[in-house]
Amino acid sequence: DGGITQSPKYLFRKEGQNVTLSCEQNLNHDAMYWYRQDPGQGLRLIYYSQIVNDFQKGDIAEGYSVSREKKESFPLTVTSAQKNPTAFYLCASSMAGEMSPQHFGDGTRLSIL
Amino acid sequence: AQSVTQPDIHITVSEGASLELRCNYSYGATPYLFWYVQSPGQGLQLLLKYFSGDTLVQGIKGFEAEFKRSQSSFNLRKPSVHWSDAAEYFCAVAMYSGGGADGLTFGKGTHLIIQP
Repeated sequence: DGGITQSPKYLFRKEGQNVTLSCEQNLNHDAMYWYRQDPGQGLRLIYYSQIVNDFQKGDIAEGYSVSREKKESFPLTVTSAQKNPTAFYLCASSMAGEMSPQHFGDGTRLSIL
Repeated sequence: AQSVTQPDIHITVSEGASLELRCNYSYGATPYLFWYVQSPGQGLQLLLKYFSGDTLVQGIKGFEAEFKRSQSSFNLRKPSVHWSDAAEYFCAVAMYSGGGADGLTFGKGTHLIIQP
């Protein structure tokens, strides 16, 4: 079945470490997104990519980095510069064009040790 | 800038009763609107979407939503809720540039509790 796979489901980070969250999709979607979810805050856009080798900052990009070397993959790195990284991270993808809804993975929960 | 407001943080409904979840948006152009549902610890599932045309849209699981431009609203309804409907519900508006979809702006969500 086609879908979006996020791994790992749970991730723990020590202070000062960078960690990378994986997002893979086999839906042949052009666009991919990363959102952060905090309790009572809804979802906020971190980064998005509409095509391979190109990406744009969202509303809360500081302390994060991404790459888009393959259409299927859009990994997110949470750097040590992100002062409050504990959150639930959701990856999404969609076809190009204005009438394509986003499909979401099951998320990665990141916690600081 | 676009924004989405879901005025109700929590709503409690008895099983079998009707449901309406409120959503108001602020967006300069024609909005593309969505409702998503999230079970605890899971990703988001699309319930329904509005792009244009008929202002009453039908979705999955018996949900429907009505777009009212004059009120900048996109409220979600269900005539009779089931215990399995207990979840977090998010309203969202899509942002687009000439290059395509730039992401979604979400409301903060409404937590639905179903009483037996």
